[in-house]
Amino acid sequence: EVQLVESGGGLVQPGASLKLSCVASGFTFSDYWMSWVRQTPGKTMEWIGDIKYDGSYTNYAPSLKNRFTISRDNAKSTLYLQMSNVRSEDTATYYCNRYNYVMDAWGQGASVTVSS
Amino acid sequence: IQMTQSPSLLSASVGDRVTLSCKAGQNINNYLAWYQQKLGEAPKLLIYNANSLQTGIPSRFSGSGSGTDFTLTISSLQPEDVATYFCQQYNSWTTFGSGTKLEIK
Repeated sequence: EVQLVESGGGLVQPGASLKLSCVASGFTFSDYWMSWVRQTPGKTMEWIGDIKYDGSYTNYAPSLKNRFTISRDNAKSTLYLQMSNVRSEDTATYYCNRYNYVMDAWGQGASVTVSS
Repeated sequence: IQMTQSPSLLSASVGDRVTLSCKAGQNINNYLAWYQQKLGEAPKLLIYNANSLQTGIPSRFSGSGSGTDFTLTISSLQPEDVATYFCQQYNSWTTFGSGTKLEIK
């Protein structure tokens, strides 16, 4: 069974950094592109970016490119999202997913709240 | 590319044929997916390439359309279909619609 489990969410102050993790199981992680999508409290879905199966290439939504970094450790079957200089508008549930232009497997989500 | 879904809320009876709409701001060819999100859960892929049914999804779900106008159809609404449905285009980067919330009347 394909499983994706995010962790690392929580309450964070504006301007701080936060790193989310996503552990994959049930499939060969190193064979797949992966991506992050976030959903705001108002339920708006926003694609953050993706990473090639070997970690050699990444794409980002232009509005987030300068503050968010996606990486992976295939030996640990783990995907990461490094968020820096967070803002109140980054408050959302963050989902990792298996990606081939469409997202065919999703984690349960990690909730991030940016507030002082 | 802006994706517009309608209606935002739809109430229908069990057994009804239900149609949800998704319109793209420009031609996206067939690069359109549909997702179902039940309350408190992650989204689930239903349809990709506008009309291809994802493995394991009941055949009462179907997708159609091309270019800018797309439709998700549930042929006979079941109680377990209560959810919010999102469309996603992946012709140019990727963007999502704002969702249609489907309720049982």
